[in-house]
Amino acid sequence: EDQVTQSPEALRLQEGESSSLNCSYTVSGLRGLFWYRQDPGKGPEFLFTLYSAGEEKEKERLKATLTKKESFLHITAPKPEDSATYLCAVQGSGGSYIPTFGRGTSLIVHP
Amino acid sequence: SQTIHQWPATLVQPVGSPLSLECTVEGTSNPNLYWYRQAAGRGLQLLFYSVGIGQISSEVPQNLSASRPQDRQFILSSKKLLLSDSGFYLCAWSVLGTGNEQFFGPGTRLTVL
Repeated sequence: EDQVTQSPEALRLQEGESSSLNCSYTVSGLRGLFWYRQDPGKGPEFLFTLYSAGEEKEKERLKATLTKKESFLHITAPKPEDSATYLCAVQGSGGSYIPTFGRGTSLIVHP
Repeated sequence: SQTIHQWPATLVQPVGSPLSLECTVEGTSNPNLYWYRQAAGRGLQLLFYSVGIGQISSEVPQNLSASRPQDRQFILSSKKLLLSDSGFYLCAWSVLGTGNEQFFGPGTRLTVL
């Protein structure tokens, strides 16, 4: 059974204070690891897909990296508008189209 | 470009009343479609998914049902709502196949009183 654990559950940063969110996973044959951003009262917004260890993707102040056991979402010099819940999900080669989601990390960036 | 619509945005219903939530996708064909529920402070719970018209898989036993009458239309229904059905309902789509990201709709906030 695929498993995803995100840490920390909540993170408070000052504007400009860089940090990383962790997504540890167990999956049989990784087909994809996904990062989403979710604002309160809205649907998750897709950020990145990573497929293999060593892969990295960037978007503005966000950079996602992947190893065989975990993924990190690095946030460089965050701004208050980066405040949101960040969700990680994995899809394995179990034959279904169903990703397994973590519970998310709630990020608050103070001005 | 692809877009996904859900309606209504919010809904307040009495216990025992029926439910119908609708989701439509534009700009793509043969998508995988999904219904999730998100309770406050909890993760996403997959309710149903569909890989084609009339093909529905249920992930959890409950008093909800889903239908896919058209390629890009996904409907979540209930004959009699329970208090425990309250939550944030999300529809999502992905390209047919595996290893593909999901794209979520804006969600429906359902409150059962």
